[in-house]
Amino acid sequence: NAGVMQNPRHLVRRRGQEARLRCSPMKGHSHVYWYRQLPEEGLKFMVYLQKENIIDESGMPKERFSAEFPKEGPSILRIQQVVRGDSAAYFCASSQDVNSYNEQFFGPGTRLTVL
Amino acid sequence: DQQVKQNSPSLSVQEGRISILNCDYTNSMFDYFLWYKKYPAEGPTFLISISSIKDKNEDGRFTVFLNKSAKHLSLHIVPSQPGDSAVYFCAATNTGKLIFGQGTTLQVKP
Repeated sequence: NAGVMQNPRHLVRRRGQEARLRCSPMKGHSHVYWYRQLPEEGLKFMVYLQKENIIDESGMPKERFSAEFPKEGPSILRIQQVVRGDSAAYFCASSQDVNSYNEQFFGPGTRLTVL
Repeated sequence: DQQVKQNSPSLSVQEGRISILNCDYTNSMFDYFLWYKKYPAEGPTFLISISSIKDKNEDGRFTVFLNKSAKHLSLHIVPSQPGDSAVYFCAATNTGKLIFGQGTTLQVKP
């Protein structure tokens, strides 16, 4: 299966803990996007990364959230000191290049629950 | 500031009839529009897209119409099938990042 892979699929954390969400893009894709879907809402853009670079982080909360896409390995979305409001579905998408608007493929998502 | 809006949270149609899902946007800089379909516990799946230089794009049972003057797009599904029951999101972009509407839940009744 060469699709976008995300793990874990479900993650439960207590308030104050750290959450790490991983995304492996499709083979040959070097652009990764993270989106968040809060309950009863649409998907909201968080951050756009290329290998080793953050291109656009205009949707990232200013504190506690960070993202990386290292030269080797998956992209990581890290949430420090989680709060209940962080409970959401986090989706990763990848594309071959920035102009491939219609070829932004999504992973199955990670559902984060903060107790 | 909701730049992309889907004002109908839900739509119910009979199998075989037409489903029309609507989407409005406010940012005239958007140059590409997309529709995604999403099932529960899955990621969005791309359906169809349209560039801002066109007013119609068709792919099988799915047709997207774009009215730039009204900043409005719609997705037509003909004929509707029970397997089309899902949440449909419209999205717009001009930079690569997608701006999504809130979604419309479509139910197609047999």
